[in-house]
Amino acid sequence: NAGVMQNPRHLVRRRGQEARLRCSPVKGHSHVYWYRQLPEEGLKFMVYLQKENIIDESGMPKERFSAEFPKEGPSILRIQQVVRGDSAAYFCASSPISGGATDTQYFGPGTRLTVL
Amino acid sequence: ILNVEQSPQSLHVQEGDSTNFTCSFPSSNFYALHWYRWETAKSPEALFVMTLNGDEKKKGRISATLNTKEGYSYLYIKGSQPEDSATYLCASSSNDYKLSFGAGTTVTVRA
Repeated sequence: NAGVMQNPRHLVRRRGQEARLRCSPVKGHSHVYWYRQLPEEGLKFMVYLQKENIIDESGMPKERFSAEFPKEGPSILRIQQVVRGDSAAYFCASSPISGGATDTQYFGPGTRLTVL
Repeated sequence: ILNVEQSPQSLHVQEGDSTNFTCSFPSSNFYALHWYRWETAKSPEALFVMTLNGDEKKKGRISATLNTKEGYSYLYIKGSQPEDSATYLCASSSNDYKLSFGAGTTVTVRA
């Protein structure tokens, strides 16, 4: 019973390049959340998606960041023209039913992005 | 955004000893409190979700309590074992799916 998968686990990019982070939720889960952990800080909410829909992107920077969760395939978090401040660990989580306060979110192991 | 704080940041405990640590959160607009256990290089593992004042949850040697009026939760580890070494994260949510995480308490159990 595979949990949430994220790849790559580590990603190194130079300033100005694009970073593409993938998340495959638990099989049967249709709700995906992305969180970011900056050094010495707790995980912070970025975006909540259902299949083919962005429900809430209030935690995501307005520029350079985008997310999608297509009908087929993994959810993708895309960061264009990366800067050093984007260096962080990015976590994906999924849940089986409608996103609510009491629903358990199952987390992946994260992608650690380093921008040189 | 809920400001969640955890203390201490880290602690060392001797194998066989019991320990506990704290998660504090704003009690206004509170809806649920989540605890996760996170081992290095692995996925955070869900432990408990609690909502009601006075809630107590238990999983093996790990248990948690919740006080929503004063805005804190304790996590207890009874008879610590080396495999309990991990970072324990708490997260609070108001009436939606956004989890606000503390920075975690890292527990190291010495054999």
